[in-house]
Amino acid sequence: AQSVAQPEDQVNVAEGNPLTVKCTYSVSGNPYLFWYVQYPNRGLQFLLKYITGDNLVKGSYGFEAEFNKSQTSFHLKKPSALVSDSALYFCAVRDKNAGNMLTFGGGTRLMVKP
Amino acid sequence: DTAVSQTPKYLVTQMGNDKSIKCEQNLGHDTMYWYKQDSKKFLKIMFSYNNKELIINETVPNRFSPKSPDKAHLNLHINSLELGDSAVYFCASSRGTALETQYFGPGTRLLVL
Repeated sequence: AQSVAQPEDQVNVAEGNPLTVKCTYSVSGNPYLFWYVQYPNRGLQFLLKYITGDNLVKGSYGFEAEFNKSQTSFHLKKPSALVSDSALYFCAVRDKNAGNMLTFGGGTRLMVKP
Repeated sequence: DTAVSQTPKYLVTQMGNDKSIKCEQNLGHDTMYWYKQDSKKFLKIMFSYNNKELIINETVPNRFSPKSPDKAHLNLHINSLELGDSAVYFCASSRGTALETQYFGPGTRLLVL
């Protein structure tokens, strides 16, 4: 069965420092991977996705993610964090066993402090 | 204009009642979804629906049923509400399959007393 794990419930980083939010996956076949962000009391917003092609995917708001097949990871990164990046981040994988719907990880809360 | 809208925003009701949450998208998308987010923020897909196919997450109780009067709407009907149904329910839509970007509504916060 497809699954995705976000090992950190919360990540704390100082403004201006680089940030990484971790995601690992387990799939059969080709992995299709996504990152979404949820701001307080809002719905999720799409950040980026990996379907095929370059392992480094660039997305919205300066975020990027690196697909690493050997480590089955798809970590989200940003070179310089902003306080406004503080939110809940979800990694997701296409679930072939659920009609190709997305299966989300448990979410990681990112706190960026001034 | 709001791309994906949901009503109501908040819903407080008693156990055993039947309720509906409405969702509308004005993006011209083919596929719509319902998600449940629990108190720990865990997000679970409930349904995926387009004009050809309804896909149901097998873990969803049959008290939950999506109803689509047309391509722009996917309402969620819940029968015999239980305490454990308390959650935030998000509607989303995408152009085609789940591989396309999904656009989420603002959520409906359901509290069952």
